[in-house]
Parts: sequence; C-alpha cells; structure tokens
Amino acid sequence: DTAVSQTPKYLVTQMGNDKSIKCEQNLGHDTMYWYKQDSKKFLKIMFSYNNKELIINETVPNRFSPKSPDKAHLNLHINSLELGDSAVYFCASSQDREIRGLSDEQFFGPGTRLTVL
Amino acid sequence: RKEVEQDPGPFNVPEGATVAFNCTYSNSASQSFFWYRQDCRKEPKLLMSVYSSGNEDGRFTAQLNRASQYISLLIRDSKLSDSATYLCVVGNTGGFKTIFGAGTRLFVKA
Repeated sequence: DTAVSQTPKYLVTQMGNDKSIKCEQNLGHDTMYWYKQDSKKFLKIMFSYNNKELIINETVPNRFSPKSPDKAHLNLHINSLELGDSAVYFCASSQDREIRGLSDEQFFGPGTRLTVL
Repeated sequence: RKEVEQDPGPFNVPEGATVAFNCTYSNSASQSFFWYRQDCRKEPKLLMSVYSSGNEDGRFTAQLNRASQYISLLIRDSKLSDSATYLCVVGNTGGFKTIFGAGTRLFVKA
C-alpha cells in the first residue's frame, strides 16, 4: 500500500497554463506539506496544513494555491505557469506532535516532475 | 547565514571507508533533528532521528552538539548502496516547520 501518493508523476505543460497536482496519504496523519525541489536539489517548504487548516505559507507566489478537502488530501493548483516553476514537487505528511514543540518524521510522496516549456 | 548548512560534497570514498558529515543550524531554539537520505530521482526518506544523547543504528551514528549548533552523521564500513544524498533536517518550534539542508552527496566506489 502506498502511504503518500501523488498524481501525476510527470507533468509537461506550456507557459501560461493552469495545472493541479493531487496528493493523498493513508497514514492517518494530521499534517501535510508541499515542498519544491529545484534543479540545485534544494528542498524548500511551500505550504503546510494541519487538520485542513493552513499553518505555513512560505514566500510563494499567489499563483500557487493549496487546497485541503479533508485531512487525507492536499492538492496544489498552479495558475499561469512560468518557466521558473519547473521543478520536482513533493507532498509529505507527518503525525502531529508540535504541541510539545517537536517535529515528527515526514513521509514523502514519490514527487511530481513539472516541466514548463 | 543559512538556517541549515551542509557541505554539498561530493564525498567520494571506497567501500569499507568511514565517512562523516557535519551540518550546522542557526536557530538555537531548534528542538528536532534528523538525517534523511535521498536517492537519485527518488523522494527523501528518514534515515535516523538525532537525540541529545546521540543515536546509533548499525553502521550509522548521529550526534548532536547544541552548544556549537551542529549535528553529525558517521557512516562506518561504507557500502555501495550508501551512495545517495544525505539531508540534514532541523525542526523549529512554533509552526510545524522543518528546514532541510541542501544535502551532501556521497559516492561509494568499489
């Protein structure tokens, strides 16, 4: 059973298009994340949701909009795609222990490789 | 100063060698520390958590030095399968935010 799944795995699209990436976790976790890994392999957090509420929103263009219909899903919608959006996007989830000031192991999806032409 | 800094490498070592990576972090209030492993074109996966008392798992040993704000990873008796990128991860309080270092690439050669 796949713990964290993402679709699609590959996405090739033209500049200016709008696209979505879906993420689902079956681990029963309370927190989900979106990360962007660029060509230099640097993994940077974009958003984090806890129990369907947005708790982290890093400096990300507002063309990126996360949506969490329920605790098990966190989708990422991108408007007006630009060349610089080309990257691998990883979804992740973790159990919620932040109330004690601790972070938990994050489980990552396989990634979505986005190429904007 | 970056929040989490690592030597990007690459480290090229022969099989059987011992190799060590260091990672420094800037936020003295950080509470959680991890090493993740990322294989080429794959997702990151937890290698081990790093506790104040240190942590050992087989050939891997992780240490935390809060005074100097760094964590280390020691790999003994390197295997070809250890070739990967090792990511230092620091969890800060107040917001579920974990910061990933840029990673250190390791190549183990026969």
